[in-house]
Amino acid sequence: DTEVTQTPKHLVMGMTNKKSLKCEQHMGHRAMYWYKQKAKKPPELMFVYSYEKLSINESVPSRFSPECPNSSLLNLHLHALQPEDSALYLCASSQGPASGYEQYFGPGTRLTVT
Amino acid sequence: GQQLNQSPQSMFIQEGEDVSMNCTSSSIFNTWLWYKQDPGEGPVLLIALYKAGELTSNGRLTAQFGITRKDSFLNISASIPSDVGIYFCAGHPGRNAGNMLTFGGGTRLMVKP
Repeated sequence: DTEVTQTPKHLVMGMTNKKSLKCEQHMGHRAMYWYKQKAKKPPELMFVYSYEKLSINESVPSRFSPECPNSSLLNLHLHALQPEDSALYLCASSQGPASGYEQYFGPGTRLTVT
Repeated sequence: GQQLNQSPQSMFIQEGEDVSMNCTSSSIFNTWLWYKQDPGEGPVLLIALYKAGELTSNGRLTAQFGITRKDSFLNISASIPSDVGIYFCAGHPGRNAGNMLTFGGGTRLMVKP
């Protein structure tokens, strides 16, 4: 099973709202990722968690706050977003550092900021 | 950040035709991955390559890891309408380089029935 699940599928939020995106995998993977993807562009890395610790933050604005409650779950908390933050947000997972570089993606959350 | 050079950017072909696309880099990669993304969905891993010169098939798809380790190719034989989508290559330099993948810009494939 190479399934990564994400909820919600679609999200519309105002600039003053607080919302969260959720991601789950049950493949025993120890690395999890958040990506942002604009139309017709490749995924752009935001955060990497390795063994439940934040290992990479690609200079993402603080209005995006990641959280890894356990090895299977990854959240992205959103607060005071801007319209330009509208995009497809993808979660991915992989086996872990130095043991498998294939990343498996979830279906994404289509976020619209109004 | 760095991005792999993927070409062509888009292709519009007739059903039944074969398709070729490639990805090149100025630096060496030790793993090459090919993904397909349907509209509104996440990328799906098609093929993973681990050794220079390796040729791997997945149904009508065949991918090759270039012997210089700076390029990779994806071929689709006898295209069908469900092959429509965006194909991304991705590379990883290998051990001690963390978890980050470098992606190509994508090849948008359109198939005319």
